[in-house]
Amino acid sequence: GAVVSQHPSWVICKSGTSVKIECRSLDFQATTMFWYRQFPKQSLMLMATSNEGSKATYEQGVEKDKFLINHASLTLSTLTVTSAHPEDSSFYICSASSPRQIRGNTIYFGEGSWLTVV
Amino acid sequence: QKEVEQDPGPLSVPEGAIVSLNCTYSNSAFQYFMWYRQYSRKGPELLMYTYSSGNKEDGRFTAQVDKSSKYISLFIRDSQPSDSATYLCAMRETSGSRLTFGEGTQLTVNP
Repeated sequence: GAVVSQHPSWVICKSGTSVKIECRSLDFQATTMFWYRQFPKQSLMLMATSNEGSKATYEQGVEKDKFLINHASLTLSTLTVTSAHPEDSSFYICSASSPRQIRGNTIYFGEGSWLTVV
Repeated sequence: QKEVEQDPGPLSVPEGAIVSLNCTYSNSAFQYFMWYRQYSRKGPELLMYTYSSGNKEDGRFTAQVDKSSKYISLFIRDSQPSDSATYLCAMRETSGSRLTFGEGTQLTVNP
């Protein structure tokens, strides 16, 4: 079964509103989670690295005020797309790195969240 | 030059064929290698995870790593239509670092 859960699976919102996406590690504590964006027929583009209890590290070109990341606990990270615009419509995916002693220190992905801004 | 190069395909094979998917990389610091399968409109699913050079087998899947050549492969035996998906190779330098992905290879297994 899934070890990383993402919610919602899909969401439609109006332009100008904010949308929050949750990412949970289900059976391990993840000090580090990653947020990706994926366009059709392209590979995953890393947006930011989320560290529990500290500020996220954003990749070059990703607006930190636009994409707010909060990693408030060892099992939950959230991505909030603020003042969403149609160009923010995309597939957003999170991942979590499991500890070495649990599942061998591998990276698992959530099911992804489809965001459509109308 | 990209750190990780993967043949984008698409690749189309008949059911039962052996499939070979490959990636090359330039960063000799990569130590951990993974293969993910991604179905359309879904998140990537971990298939194989390897650390050392050599082969690792899991059912119909075999992952091969050759660090001296900076080359990794995923072999799928007795391919099934349900194997039709995009396959992504990924690698990272240390246990806590970010993943670097290949572009993905789209595979179609025809019944």
